[in-house]
Amino acid sequence: KNEVEQSPQNLTAQEGEFITINCSYSVGISALHWLQQHPGGGIVSLFMLSSGKKKHGRLIATINIQEKHSSLHITASHPRDSAVYICAAGEGSDMRFGAGTRLTVKP
Amino acid sequence: NAGVTQTPKFRILKIGQSMTLQCTQDMNHNYMYWYRQDPGMGLKLIYYSVGAGITDKGEVPNGYNVSRSTTEDFPLRLELAAPSQTSVYFCASSYSGALRAFFGQGTRLTVV
Repeated sequence: KNEVEQSPQNLTAQEGEFITINCSYSVGISALHWLQQHPGGGIVSLFMLSSGKKKHGRLIATINIQEKHSSLHITASHPRDSAVYICAAGEGSDMRFGAGTRLTVKP
Repeated sequence: NAGVTQTPKFRILKIGQSMTLQCTQDMNHNYMYWYRQDPGMGLKLIYYSVGAGITDKGEVPNGYNVSRSTTEDFPLRLELAAPSQTSVYFCASSYSGALRAFFGQGTRLTVV
């Protein structure tokens, strides 16, 4: 079993839909990160969480430390949100990465 | 601000050849990292550095070497390339290990 599991692996949505991507982890954490990998391959950090909830524009990330679970939500999805979303959890430099969720948003 | 710059973007190597992947950052970050990304797998940490002159092994260091002679540069060396090293390599940097990292654009390496 991987230390960081994401679901679903692939997700196709229609423009405007509400999206949820889940991440469960079994490692101890000082922080959990959500990353976005663009179709061209570049990786951008979206959120870093250690508790509660963070919001940036249409993106919301939550974490439940007791349940070792985090979710990334996208409201009013748009084709430009199409990307691979990666969850990473761990302590300091020792981060473990999920395999990613490939999101495709169709117009 | 250039951020994290990796070169080259693509490279094909023959088995047994050696090469160096270059990584430089202009944000004065203490921490730098090298990851590899294989299809269907999460990123794996190869080596990391917490400052100039200090390097440490990550999860998958075998077959690689690094150095950190300056704050800006963190090159990754492959001495005897093997097909198992075919992957996409990402360099990243952060001010500290707990803060969000900035990633380079990646290097796609194929060993044939």
